[in-house]
Amino acid sequence: DTGVSQDPRHKITKRGQNVTFRCDPISEHNRLYWYRQTLGQGPEFLTYFQNEAQLEKSRLLSDRFSAERPKGSFSTLEIQRTEQGDSAMYLCASSFRGDTQYFGPGTRLTVL
Amino acid sequence: QQPVQSPQAVILREGEDAVINCSSSKALYSVHWYRQKHGEAPVFLMILLKGGEQKGHDKISASFNEKKQQSSLYLTASQLSYSGTYFCGTEIRYGNKLVFGAGTILRVKS
Repeated sequence: DTGVSQDPRHKITKRGQNVTFRCDPISEHNRLYWYRQTLGQGPEFLTYFQNEAQLEKSRLLSDRFSAERPKGSFSTLEIQRTEQGDSAMYLCASSFRGDTQYFGPGTRLTVL
Repeated sequence: QQPVQSPQAVILREGEDAVINCSSSKALYSVHWYRQKHGEAPVFLMILLKGGEQKGHDKISASFNEKKQQSSLYLTASQLSYSGTYFCGTEIRYGNKLVFGAGTILRVKS
């Protein structure tokens, strides 16, 4: 069991650029979740997949955010036209069906 | 709606006990507790399910009052390694997203 992995761990970008993050879940887990965490706050739900199907997307998520899980394994989260307010830690978690969610180390995004 | 955690922060000496509370305004299916150290991922501690089932590990216990939609995490004989931020994540039905509280910062001093 290698755990949830995320890449990159850190990303610095200029405002207006697009960024893409990758998450590799625990191998037998069919559910994958994306959360965003800002300093001093708990993780905030963004979206989740069961296999390749995106089952829910937060209403707080603007159209600049998109996520995919094309083969039901790894997932990508893309942010287009980044803004300074997008600076945060982006966390991925996976679970087997709806059981315990295990988190990855996160990708810290800084938008200059 | 975000669950409310209390206290916001607590400082303990090694060996002391602490209780962290989590309260929701919604009917819950489960409450999940995580600990996060600075710059690291949240680490799962315990899950409490509606109906009283409790799953977890380590020397940490918790309770879930379904009538009040409140959960409490009990840390006994605290160790330095217990330091971190504790989050409760609430779930309104099985397999749904977790809605996290703002966290409780715990610092254990020697």
